[in-house]
Amino acid sequence: AQKITQTQPGMFVQEKEAVTLDCTYDTSDPSYGLFWYKQPSSGEMIFLIYQGSYDQQNATEGRYSLNFQKARKSANLVISASQLGDSAMYFCAMRPEGGKLIFGQGTELSVKP
Amino acid sequence: DSGVTQTPKHLITATGQRVTLRCSPRSGDLSVYWYQQSLDQGLQFLIQYYNGEERAKGNILERFSAQQFPDLHSELNLSSLELGDSALYFCASSVVTGRTEAFFGQGTRLTVV
Repeated sequence: AQKITQTQPGMFVQEKEAVTLDCTYDTSDPSYGLFWYKQPSSGEMIFLIYQGSYDQQNATEGRYSLNFQKARKSANLVISASQLGDSAMYFCAMRPEGGKLIFGQGTELSVKP
Repeated sequence: DSGVTQTPKHLITATGQRVTLRCSPRSGDLSVYWYQQSLDQGLQFLIQYYNGEERAKGNILERFSAQQFPDLHSELNLSSLELGDSALYFCASSVVTGRTEAFFGQGTRLTVV
């Protein structure tokens, strides 16, 4: 069965520090994509970063990087230099080739000034 | 702006009524997904269309139906509404393969009273 697990319901981080949000996944498909989305209190789902299962290097997008460990089936999101505006829900998701996006339960990140 | 347009943004209706939610995907995206997000259920996949045809079905109630039109816009029809149908309904679009991003619209917040 395909599944995404986010084990941290909530996390706190001090402004300007780095934080890692955990995500593990389960799939038997050889080709899949891994995604992170941010959902602020306003409700919209904002795409942050994508990692393909065959990509050799970890994806990076500005302050976001994805620590992809294929053998461990983990796809942790690292946010560097946290800002107050990073406070939001963060969802990890997976999509097998041509299939549906499967989401984890989310991690609520709070950035403290 | 993700390029995915959902209308309306907010909808308040009474129990027993029927509503239609509309989604225009990003230009060039053939695949459309519908998700329901409620406080207790998280992000639940409802249904996926690809180029006008149903591709995958999730936890979609029989009272709900969807379709994708030749111009690729999609509609989600919710009928015989119940209080428990109150949720945020998202549409997302992507190129069909798993190795590409899926972008979300801003969602339609449905309140059933």
